[in-house]
Amino acid sequence: QKEVEQNSGPLSVPEGAIASLNCTYSDRGSQSFFWYRQYSGKSPELIMSIYSNGDKEDGRFTAQLNKASQYVSLLIRDSQPSDSATYLCALPGGRRALTFGSGTRLQVQP
Amino acid sequence: DTAVSQTPKYLVTQMGNDKSIKCEQNLGHDTMYWYKQDSKKFLKIMFSYNNKELIINETVPNRFSPKSPDKAHLNLHINSLELGDSAVYFCASSGPQETQYFGPGTRLLVL
Repeated sequence: QKEVEQNSGPLSVPEGAIASLNCTYSDRGSQSFFWYRQYSGKSPELIMSIYSNGDKEDGRFTAQLNKASQYVSLLIRDSQPSDSATYLCALPGGRRALTFGSGTRLQVQP
Repeated sequence: DTAVSQTPKYLVTQMGNDKSIKCEQNLGHDTMYWYKQDSKKFLKIMFSYNNKELIINETVPNRFSPKSPDKAHLNLHINSLELGDSAVYFCASSGPQETQYFGPGTRLLVL
């Protein structure tokens, strides 16, 4: 059973700060990693995917992957109140479904 | 245009009733999924269909029966609803890449 662990939070950061969201996983063979954002009452939406060790940047978002440590993180620079949401880490769980972590709730304080 | 749509958006019903949720995607994807998100926001796979063929059937009560009439549609029928079935049910689809696109969700409340 593949497991994905996230701190449920809430993680509270002031506006303009860097928010750092972390995720660990149990399956050493995992090759793909996804970060989804879910606003309250809405569906998950993909914001980042990462497949290789190192950093991947997209605008204010940076995903970091360390396969040796089985660790993937998401950094949000210049955090805005509109970034307040639950961030879900996910990886393929077999036969194309995704296994999700429980999510970290981020609150950006104005 | 909505990529993945679900109906109904809200469903309030009594215990013991039978209900269906419908899902349609216009992305041309081959694979569709049903996920359940419980009150603690944990999102878990229930079923997956690839080209109308069931490929994932997780440990779900057999009161839940998915049906895929074609590649673009995946429906979920639930018999004899129980209080514990109250949750948000999300449909999703994916193409050759692993990225999944989610529908807006169906909020089911069983009274």
